[in-house]
Formats: sequence, C-alpha cells, structure tokens
Amino acid sequence: GQNIDQPTEMTATEGAIVQINCTYQTSGFNGLFWYQQHAGEAPTFLSYNVLDGLEEKGRFSSFLSRSKGYSYLLLKELQMKDSASYLCASMDSNYQLIWGAGTKLIIKP
Amino acid sequence: IAGITQAPTSQILAAGRRMTLRCTQDMRHNAMYWYRQDLGLGLRLIHYSNTAGTTGKGEVPDGYSVSRANTDDFPLTLASAVPSQTSVYFCASSDREGNGYTFGSGTRLTVV
Repeated sequence: GQNIDQPTEMTATEGAIVQINCTYQTSGFNGLFWYQQHAGEAPTFLSYNVLDGLEEKGRFSSFLSRSKGYSYLLLKELQMKDSASYLCASMDSNYQLIWGAGTKLIIKP
Repeated sequence: IAGITQAPTSQILAAGRRMTLRCTQDMRHNAMYWYRQDLGLGLRLIHYSNTAGTTGKGEVPDGYSVSRANTDDFPLTLASAVPSQTSVYFCASSDREGNGYTFGSGTRLTVV
C-alpha cells in the first residue's frame, strides 16, 4: 500500500533549527515534495527532491534517501512566520501526489 | 497572474441541496485535482483528471462528481449535500512533469 508518515506536531524556539522527518512508501517514485500551509490558506510549494542528497534553498533545506524511503525538511533561524503546517508528499508512478497528514510546527518566542 | 481560481470562497449550504464548486486554471496544465481537507486527516483526493475529457476517482469520491469539458475548467458537484461534506475543498493542477501542484485558494463549505 501507499503510506506517508510524519509527526503530527512539533514545537521549536524562534532562532533555532528544527528538522521535520517524513517516511514514505508509494507505488513508483517520481520525487518527494514539501509544502507549507499556513492556517486558512492553500498549500504552497517549498522543495522537491528526486535524487539522494541535500537541497538547500535559503533557510530551508530538504534531504532525500531513496533507499530508506526517508526525507526531512530542515528549517534554520526560525522565525515566527514559520509557524505553519508542513506537508510531505511523494509523487507516484502516475505523477499523482500521495500526501502525509502534515506536521504542525509551533514557534515559541 | 497565472494560477487557479476557485469560487465561491465560502458557502453555507442546506443539506439535500445541489452545489457546484468552480475551478479554473490558466496555466494550460493537463492534470487537475479536487481535494478535501479535514482537521487531522490531511488532503484527501476526491476526483482527478489527467487530461481534458477524462476523469478518475480518488480516495473519497462518493457523493461527488466532476467533469472536464476543456483544459481550463474542472467543476466539482455535490448532488445532494450532507453534513459530512462540510470541509475545505482545494482544487489543484499540475503539468505532470514532476513540477508539483499549484493550488487554488480553497472553498470553505458548511453543510447544515
């Protein structure tokens, strides 16, 4: 079956670093996506990994290990505006995204 | 501005009524999707269309229907609304080239 697992909620402090993990199991694989969703808004694209390794984009980085079915999103220098849900999604062989339930990230001052 | 437009933004609907949620994109994306998002459950796929003229069922299709008469439009119809269809509905599109999805701003539907 197809399955995406990520923690339900995480708490971190402003200015710190947080890592959100995601494990996936899908029929075929065409990449791993991370989206950010603020409360009451639509998901917005953050990152895409299809090859093993780390992709860095400003304060955000995303890592993929295809052999382990594992990814993480790393957020550095946390800001209050980073409080949001972070959705992990794997693209299957039909180019459809299989979604995790999302990780709610709470940033404390 | 290229993107996806959903309408209405929000709606309160009496149970048993018929309702169509509208979705239009101007990016010429082949694939379009309808999701519902409920607290704690994440995004669940209702129906999808890989190209104009074709549609498919997702994870939770019961009580919903879609059509794809052209590339741009992908309306979602609730034939006879029930309270369990109270949710936030997102329309999305993709070019099916591994570039991910673009989402509309969502429709918040309350069935009473």
